[in-house]
Amino acid sequence: AQSVTQLDSQVPVFEEAPVELRCNYSSSVSVYLFWYVQYPNQGLQLLLKYLSGSTLVESINGFEAEFNKSQTSFHLRKPSVHISDTAEYFCAVSTSMNRDDKIIFGKGTRLHILP
Amino acid sequence: KAGVTQTPRYLIKTRGQQVTLSCSPISGHRSVSWYQQTPGQGLQFLFEYFSETQRNKGNFPGRFSGRQFSNSRSEMNVSTLELGDSALYLCASSFGVGNQETQYFGPGTRLLVL
Repeated sequence: AQSVTQLDSQVPVFEEAPVELRCNYSSSVSVYLFWYVQYPNQGLQLLLKYLSGSTLVESINGFEAEFNKSQTSFHLRKPSVHISDTAEYFCAVSTSMNRDDKIIFGKGTRLHILP
Repeated sequence: KAGVTQTPRYLIKTRGQQVTLSCSPISGHRSVSWYQQTPGQGLQFLFEYFSETQRNKGNFPGRFSGRQFSNSRSEMNVSTLELGDSALYLCASSFGVGNQETQYFGPGTRLLVL
């Protein structure tokens, strides 16, 4: 069975500073990886995903994540954060490209942007 | 296009009762998934429907069931409610496959079981 670990439950960072939200997974088979974001008082949104191809995937709002198979990681990064990035971020792993097949979510990381 | 809508938004029930939650996907989306979010367990996948058929199911007891109608609207039912069923229930609709897939979530239904 696969599992996902988000090492930090909360990450405070100053506005315009870079941020990295860590995600590690374990699985005995190939995986597909996802990052979701939940803004305050809003629904969950799929931020980005790695299915195949380039190990670096990007979202439209400046976040990127790199699939590192040797380190079993899929860390989320942004070079300069904004107040609007305040949200909870969830990493998820699935052993099926049909994402929902037994998808496992991490516990989430709350990103606090400090002015 | 209207987004994913879920009704009701808030619900209070007592133990032993049953509840039905509704989800209307984005027009044209045929896949609907349900998730449960609690502070203790986090986000957990419940099930997915595609063209009125359950395609995948998470690790939940049989008290949790669902269905999808021909217009892609979906309902989720929980029978014999337990205190631990208190949660935010999220519905998502998706379109496409692989890298071209897009997924959108509704605002959720917050269920409190007393």
